[in-house]
Amino acid sequence: KQEVTQIPAALSVPEGENLVLNCSFTDSAIYNLQWFRQDPGKGLTSLLLIQSSQREQTSGRLNASLDKSSGRSTLYIAASQPGDSATYLCAVLGGSNYKLTFGKGTLLTVNP
Amino acid sequence: KAGVTQTPRYLIKTRGQQVTLSCSPISGHRSVSWYQQTPGQGLQFLFEYFSETQRNKGNFPGRFSGRQFSNSRSEMNVSTLELGDSALYLCASSLRQGRDEQFFGPGTRLTVL
Repeated sequence: KQEVTQIPAALSVPEGENLVLNCSFTDSAIYNLQWFRQDPGKGLTSLLLIQSSQREQTSGRLNASLDKSSGRSTLYIAASQPGDSATYLCAVLGGSNYKLTFGKGTLLTVNP
Repeated sequence: KAGVTQTPRYLIKTRGQQVTLSCSPISGHRSVSWYQQTPGQGLQFLFEYFSETQRNKGNFPGRFSGRQFSNSRSEMNVSTLELGDSALYLCASSLRQGRDEQFFGPGTRLTVL
């Protein structure tokens, strides 16, 4: 059974800092990995999707990497801003069952 | 291009009642998945529909059911509501069955009293 763990559970940083969020998964037989952002009481916004054959994806100040063999992904946020404050969720799509399994998320607070 | 829409946004029900939630996917998307989000369990997969057929199912009791219509809109039904069913119910759509990037709606907040 796939399990996804995100560390840390919460992170508070000053504005302008570069930061890294971590995601690990137990079953490396994945189809893709997706990073989402969730604002309080809202739905999920897709940030980046990495196919299992890819090593990284970039979008603006965000860069996500994937090491499938070790079961790890990182989300790098450059020059953080208060508007980046949200919960960040990592999810992996099973290679055989096409089910998205989510981590519990990292609650990020960027202080002005 | 309109995003995923869910109705209603908020619902309050009492134990034993049943509820139906609706999800309209992004135009052209044929796959709809449903998820339950609670503070304790996080986000959990309920089921996925593609071409009006349930293709995948999570570990939820039979009280949770769904269907998909020919226009790809989907409904989810929960019968005999329990207090523990209080949650944010999210639906997501993707172009093909489960393999593409998933786009989420704003969710329906269900409170069971």
